[in-house]
Amino acid sequence: EAGVTQFPSHSVIEKGQTVTLRCDPISGHDNLYWYRRVMGKEIKFLLHFVKESKQDESGMPNNRFLAERTGGTYSTLKVQPAELEDSGVYFCASSQGTGGVTETQYFGPGTRLLVL
Amino acid sequence: AQKVTQAQTEISVVEKEDVTLDCVYETRDTTYYLFWYKQPPSGELVFLIRRNSFDEQNEISGRYSWNFQKSTSSFNFTITASQVVDSAVYFCALSEAQGDYKLSFGAGTTVTVRA
Repeated sequence: EAGVTQFPSHSVIEKGQTVTLRCDPISGHDNLYWYRRVMGKEIKFLLHFVKESKQDESGMPNNRFLAERTGGTYSTLKVQPAELEDSGVYFCASSQGTGGVTETQYFGPGTRLLVL
Repeated sequence: AQKVTQAQTEISVVEKEDVTLDCVYETRDTTYYLFWYKQPPSGELVFLIRRNSFDEQNEISGRYSWNFQKSTSSFNFTITASQVVDSAVYFCALSEAQGDYKLSFGAGTTVTVRA
């Protein structure tokens, strides 16, 4: 079974440009989460999808960040325009459901974003 | 407020030594889950273990063991007879039913095992 995949693995852009990150969850997982780790700090929650619906986007830092999940499958996270403080590692995770043994979140390898 | 505290920033040991990573959590929820993830130098987060709040039974998996104590709100992780491949950043995390199960991570502990 394929794990969570993320694309690209690395991205270097200039301030003011747009970047789109993609996450493909484990097949059959309804829950999809985005997290990020900025400058060696804690990994912070950004938002949570249940299928195609945003369940919780309380962690999104500002309106420069836009997340979508088309048809409840893959998700994209767009940063427009990117700022220097957006640099960090963006992780995606998926889980099968809430509660019980299905609640474990499995993470992708992350996208390393550097804004210059 | 910080929900998960990993007080140790870095730990360095010589191969075959045991190493214990501390994790203290804070929650008002009665239903919650605790996790440990490993981040090797390659960068991915690897799931190690999940415990729920109703199961305080300690667990052993090979050289890894976990000690969950609700009385002290701790979920410590011990690597026995450490190996160089254990070198990584280890994260403790908490998810709460009332928090829709999003993960709150500790700052991570960097473990370096020297040959």
